[in-house]
Amino acid sequence: GDSVTQMEGPVTLSEEAFLTINCTYTATGYPSLFWYVQYPGEGLQLLLKATKADDKGSNKGFEATYRKETTSFHLEKGSVQVSDSAVYFCALSPPGGGFKTIFGAGTRLFVKA
Amino acid sequence: ETGVTQSPTHLIKTRGQQVTLRCSSQSGHNTVSWYQQALGQGPQFIFQYYREEENGRGNFPPRFSGLQFPNYSSELNVNALELDDSALYLCASSFGWVFIDGYTFGSGTRLTVV
Repeated sequence: GDSVTQMEGPVTLSEEAFLTINCTYTATGYPSLFWYVQYPGEGLQLLLKATKADDKGSNKGFEATYRKETTSFHLEKGSVQVSDSAVYFCALSPPGGGFKTIFGAGTRLFVKA
Repeated sequence: ETGVTQSPTHLIKTRGQQVTLRCSSQSGHNTVSWYQQALGQGPQFIFQYYREEENGRGNFPPRFSGLQFPNYSSELNVNALELDDSALYLCASSFGWVFIDGYTFGSGTRLTVV
């Protein structure tokens, strides 16, 4: 069945460092891909999305490119801030939509000042 | 526009009891999905309601049930609570059941079963 695999955390970085969080997926066809962020004590917020191969989603300095050939959707940011400390979830929605989204286990990011 | 609101925010129940969690969807959204997020894990799909009918269900037993009302708000009911039901329960709304645009999530209800 469809699945999402993320790199294990926690990831600890200093402020202004470069961030990469790896995400790979298994799905038939072309799912839609998402990154969600969860701050402490809150629900999930949609960070960015991509709906077809080679699309690049971007928001708040974060980027991710839909790579069909490597079934990947890695999250990157050029310069992290303390306020980026959160848990990041990679997710997919099956091709054509469908009634559920499948989430990865999440990667916790700590950014030190 | 208002977001997704859930109530209560925290709840403590005893094993064997029943619980009802509530969700008001974002204005303009007609689909509500419920997810269970155990500590340190990603959300797991419970079920989805679209236009007041269950439109899909994950691998959860029948003691997890739900409702959607004409104003698109929703309830999640869990009977015969077990210790493993302790989790954050998230409600997510969207327009339609084709999730190309992603969800809007509420802040969740933290359920503790003792």
